[in-house]
Amino acid sequence: KNQVEQSPQSLIILEGKNCTLQCNYTVSPFSNLRWYKQDTGRGPVSLTIMTFSENTKSNGRYTATLDADTKQSSLHITASQLSDSASYICVVSAKGSNYQLIWGAGTKLIIKP
Amino acid sequence: DTGVSQNPRHKITKRGQNVTFRCDPISEHNRLYWYRQTLGQGPEFLTYFQNEAQLEKSRLLSDRFSAERPKGSFSTLEIQRTEQGDSAMYLCASSLARQGDTEAFFGQGTRLTVV
Repeated sequence: KNQVEQSPQSLIILEGKNCTLQCNYTVSPFSNLRWYKQDTGRGPVSLTIMTFSENTKSNGRYTATLDADTKQSSLHITASQLSDSASYICVVSAKGSNYQLIWGAGTKLIIKP
Repeated sequence: DTGVSQNPRHKITKRGQNVTFRCDPISEHNRLYWYRQTLGQGPEFLTYFQNEAQLEKSRLLSDRFSAERPKGSFSTLEIQRTEQGDSAMYLCASSLARQGDTEAFFGQGTRLTVV
């Protein structure tokens, strides 16, 4: 069964600190993996998209890694800011005629001043 | 604003009433998705269209739910005889179907509250 699991479920850190969010998936055949940021009450916004051959991709203070062998991805946030408080959702796309997206439940990140 | 647009942003309805939501995708996007999201959960796939054809429906989409995309542009999602369990955020997304990258862009969602 295609699944995406994220950890931790929630995380509280102080402003300025770094953190790493984890995503494990069992989606096959794999097409690509995305990380989305979702502010409360808003739609998700894409942060990064990674294909099978990509190991690391950065977007400002966000760095995503992908290990296609172990089917794991991480999202590292550097020098966190209050505006980073949001849910971060890992989404894996399966190859096929519909490119269906398999969503994780998200990690709720709270940045405290 | 050339992003995905959803209307209304909020809807409060009494149990048993019908509601309809609208989604206007990014103009050149041929794929349109509907998702439902409850508090603390990731979005759950409901259905998707390629142009005007509805290609897949989740088992979550009961007989009370119907979606249309009549001209391959905007889409509507109707819920008949609403129940309290239908209370959720309904998200619409669109993408351009091509090999490889099928990044979906999301609207702000319609929050439905059934009282």
